[in-house]
Amino acid sequence: DQQVKQNSPSLSVQEGRISILNCDYTNSMFDYFLWYKKYPAEGPTFLISISSIKDKNEDGRFTVFLNKSAKHLSLHIVPSQPGDSAVYFCAAQQGAGNNRKLIWGLGTSLAVNP
Amino acid sequence: DTEVTQTPKHLVMGMTNKKSLKCEQHMGHRAMYWYKQKAKKPPELMFVYSYEKLSINESVPSRFSPECPNSSLLNLHLHALQPEDSALYLCASSQDSLGGRGNYGYTFGSGTRLTVV
Repeated sequence: DQQVKQNSPSLSVQEGRISILNCDYTNSMFDYFLWYKKYPAEGPTFLISISSIKDKNEDGRFTVFLNKSAKHLSLHIVPSQPGDSAVYFCAAQQGAGNNRKLIWGLGTSLAVNP
Repeated sequence: DTEVTQTPKHLVMGMTNKKSLKCEQHMGHRAMYWYKQKAKKPPELMFVYSYEKLSINESVPSRFSPECPNSSLLNLHLHALQPEDSALYLCASSQDSLGGRGNYGYTFGSGTRLTVV
């Protein structure tokens, strides 16, 4: 059973416009949510995170919004650039102490067109 | 140094071979991870080391054997693998196993592309 869901396998956006990537989760015990970006043949790169006690975190062009009541988070990229084209993974952290681990979504492939 | 370095980048091995994957970081991170990633799938956690002790083994077959010689190094010893073990093997580290706090996240290496023939 997928605890972290990214229901859109792909997204295409025009350069300069906003990209919105969505993520839903089922476990209310997750305490942190993270977004990663992955280019082919490379490891994921950490983008931004948000604590479950916050509803927004912003870092440059990237903003993550968390709606706990809806168990939904989204990553906004504005303005989108061609270099943003990659697979974006949503991940949620669970567990306590040394047993903490990440639960990953299946990813959304973003294509930003010039 | 803000990187996780993995060697080799590519490895082809036969089913009877023994090989090792290596991972190194010098960020002072005290948690290190092995992940396996197949094409178009998210990373799949294999092992977690916290303060050089194995804290999580996600029921990984014994043909994969992790080792953490010190706080900067993580190895994955491979023996008698199957073709279905072919994948991208990723190493990651974080400040501690609570690595998702604040903006720290987890730092991933570029991976070792493993092909078992």
